[in-house]
Amino acid sequence: QIQLVQSGPELKKPGESVKISCKASGYTFTDYAMHWVKQAPGKGLKWMGWINTYTGKPTYADDFKGRFVFSLEASASTANLQISNLKNEDTATYFCARNTDYYPYVMDAWGQGASVTVSS
Amino acid sequence: DIRMTQSPASLSASLGETVNIECLASEDIYSDLAWYQQKPGKSPQLLIYNANSLQNGVPSRFSGSGSGTQYSLKINSLQSEDVATYFCQQYNNYPNTFGAGTKLELK
Repeated sequence: QIQLVQSGPELKKPGESVKISCKASGYTFTDYAMHWVKQAPGKGLKWMGWINTYTGKPTYADDFKGRFVFSLEASASTANLQISNLKNEDTATYFCARNTDYYPYVMDAWGQGASVTVSS
Repeated sequence: DIRMTQSPASLSASLGETVNIECLASEDIYSDLAWYQQKPGKSPQLLIYNANSLQNGVPSRFSGSGSGTQYSLKINSLQSEDVATYFCQQYNNYPNTFGAGTKLELK
């Protein structure tokens, strides 16, 4: 069955960096785009952008340009999110989510989420 | 960006009841609307896409409707496992945007 398994919780200090992984299984990784979605504590969902898993080309939403990098390890069916120069407001759960094969930006499988806490 | 306004923000309903959740878009999104369910401590799961198409494996007590700027999610015969927060998402306009969520609890 389709699974997206994300890396574990992270506790970081402001200014540090973090890398979150999302390992896919149960389907052909390069056939489906991967999205990243942020959920701050007790808040709603905010789309961060997506990566073309065939070409590796990332697209970032405006609020996530600069400190955020999407990357792939396609041979390992893994998508990564790296956040540099962490700020308190980056404290959130980050989800990877697979795009459906019938509508762009509709997400039909989600990782379990990776919690990032930024605190001095 | 298109603003998605959900109502109510929270609601309490009894087992077996019918529940309706509304989502209003700030402009016409031409039925490019999805609904997600997020149970406490879990990741969101796709329920509905294209405003009224049921995702594979989702119980038929869930249904979606609407057009233009107004959409709704209906849950018939509420079950205990339906306790969750529900989010609408528009994907007609870039960037796709989500509503703030409707928290559904049991009365």
